[in-house]
Amino acid sequence: DTAVSQTPKYLVTQMGNDKSIKCEQNLGHDTMYWYKQDSKKFLKIMFSYNNKELIINETVPNRFSPKSPDKAHLNLHINSLELGDSAVYFCASSPRVSNTGELFFGEGSRLTVL
Amino acid sequence: KNQVEQSPQSLIILEGKNCTLQCNYTVSPFSNLRWYKQDTGRGPVSLTIMTFSENTKSNGRYTATLDADTKQSSLHITASQLSDSASYICVVRARSASGGYQKVTFGTGTKLQVIP
Repeated sequence: DTAVSQTPKYLVTQMGNDKSIKCEQNLGHDTMYWYKQDSKKFLKIMFSYNNKELIINETVPNRFSPKSPDKAHLNLHINSLELGDSAVYFCASSPRVSNTGELFFGEGSRLTVL
Repeated sequence: KNQVEQSPQSLIILEGKNCTLQCNYTVSPFSNLRWYKQDTGRGPVSLTIMTFSENTKSNGRYTATLDADTKQSSLHITASQLSDSASYICVVRARSASGGYQKVTFGTGTKLQVIP
């Protein structure tokens, strides 16, 4: 199936641990994003990569480090997890950074930090 | 500051009834506005896109309107179905003078519940 897929879908971990979320898109898009959706369902951009190049880095703690090995993959690594990191993280892609096209979202990864 | 505000925050309607969701924005310069539907536990999916020159656009039972002068958009759902229960998110994209990255601002969403 053509889609944006992210793993894992659910992640429960202790404070202080390090975890990663992986994202892959087979839509042939150039641009990929990570969004954080908080408990109030507000979606906030974290990072964006265009052809493996970081183009957006919003005010996100440096405990969060994205990595794009190729334009079809954008992974998110989080160090020293804190309670406030609990949220749903969405990966998304779009054809290219300057287009007016839509964002294609993954199913989300629900992170719970205990 | 670019903002997108949606109302109501939540809405409960009976199956078969119509409803209208509102979106007000201050994003400038304006490029386009999209309405997304987010089912529980899923990622948002685009319903429709409105550009500056478009006033009304329909997608099945969904009709979006745009008033670029007052910076308002609405999403009207006709003959609601149980499957319409979801969050509806208004997303406004700013135009980039350089043709590069276009900033996208998300609304806070309206949670719609359709009950039998």
